[in-house]
Amino acid sequence: AQSVTQLDSQVPVFEEAPVELRCNYSSSVSVYLFWYVQYPNQGLQLLLKYLSGSTLVKGINGFEAEFNKSQTSFHLRKPSVHISDTAEYFCAVSFRQGGKLIFGQGTELSVKP
Amino acid sequence: EAGVAQSPRYKIIEKRQSVAFWCNPISGHATLYWYQQILGQGPKLLIQFQNNGVVDDSQLPKDRFSAERLKGVDSTLKIQPAKLEDSAVYLCASSPDDRSVYEQYFGPGTRLTVT
Repeated sequence: AQSVTQLDSQVPVFEEAPVELRCNYSSSVSVYLFWYVQYPNQGLQLLLKYLSGSTLVKGINGFEAEFNKSQTSFHLRKPSVHISDTAEYFCAVSFRQGGKLIFGQGTELSVKP
Repeated sequence: EAGVAQSPRYKIIEKRQSVAFWCNPISGHATLYWYQQILGQGPKLLIQFQNNGVVDDSQLPKDRFSAERLKGVDSTLKIQPAKLEDSAVYLCASSPDDRSVYEQYFGPGTRLTVT
């Protein structure tokens, strides 16, 4: 069965420090990969997606992620975080265009001054 | 362009009562999804519509949950009767019927508390 694991439930970090949020998936078929952000009391917003091609994808708000097929990972990175990046981050996979998203359990990023 | 609209934003009911949630997707979006997000977990798909037809409802508890999208536009999700474990945020999302687009656009959600 396909699944998504986010290895850290909470990541505290100081402002302007780099951050990496880890995501691993399990699948026997090709996948499409996504990172979503959820601010308090709001819906999910797409940060970035990997469909094919270059394994390094850049998204909004200075975030980027690298697809590693051999390690079945799609880790999210930002070189310098801001207080406003404090939110819940979800990694998700889909197995066909228009198909359902399977989400990880989320990582709470807390940026401290 | 207006986003996905959901109402109500918050609902508190007692167990065994019924409740309904409404979703209006982005104009022109053919595909509509309902997800359940329990506190501390990622969203889980309940049902997916393509226009007014059901594509996937494998994880919908059909003994108590129902959903419809009669005219292929807005949708209603109903729970009857509610249980304590139904306390969650119910998210609606939509996407275009376009094979070059993979993004799902999410509404703000309805937070349900069952007491």
